[in-house]
Amino acid sequence: DAKTTQPPSMDCAEGRAANLPCNHSTISGNEYVYWYRQIHSQGPQYIIHGLKNNETNEMASLIITEDRKSSTLILPHATLRDTAVYYCIVRGGAGGTSYGKLTFGQGTILTVHP
Amino acid sequence: NAGVMQNPRHLVRRRGQEARLRCSPMKGHSHVYWYRQLPEEGLKFMVYLQKENIIDESGMPKERFSAEFPKEGPSILRIQQVVRGDSAAYFCASSPTASSYNSPLHFGNGTRLTVT
Repeated sequence: DAKTTQPPSMDCAEGRAANLPCNHSTISGNEYVYWYRQIHSQGPQYIIHGLKNNETNEMASLIITEDRKSSTLILPHATLRDTAVYYCIVRGGAGGTSYGKLTFGQGTILTVHP
Repeated sequence: NAGVMQNPRHLVRRRGQEARLRCSPMKGHSHVYWYRQLPEEGLKFMVYLQKENIIDESGMPKERFSAEFPKEGPSILRIQQVVRGDSAAYFCASSPTASSYNSPLHFGNGTRLTVT
């Protein structure tokens, strides 16, 4: 699976949009970009994923650049409860040996402040 | 629709005892993944199982650790002769039967093992 690079930490004001970047310059054509978050002491929570197109769900939006080498997770109106570690993960496509497992990096610690 | 259920939530064992951690996947899911998170560290993959089969155990320590996912019942992660270094949070995740890389893994809230 391709490696990802994320900033170690970010701050965001409550009510503002949080934009979390991720670089995955070695991503291959059949690999998906996944975002999870982990709120202290809880299990990782799935947020969103995509292959080529931008995606939106009730939690967030995922913007993937045309060359697929980077992406941005957008939390449109951050709340204090969005304070967490956010993980950007590239998940292997068909023919890989990763068997679909997720490989977690260090992630971005997002702190939402009042 | 119940999520991934793990029990117990907290487990305390003395050095040398055995720890058994259980994971019931989401309904309809037959793929289970176990992860370990040591204090102040990231999540590390341990093992991937399908019903009655271990598919990838590349992250499992070679000794004392074993995992199973029987045809009936939950997946079990077993740690024999626990040591203090086994103290960690152990997370289980599941994915659907017709699994593909387009299907998210869903995680439970973990078992926190403390070895005294």
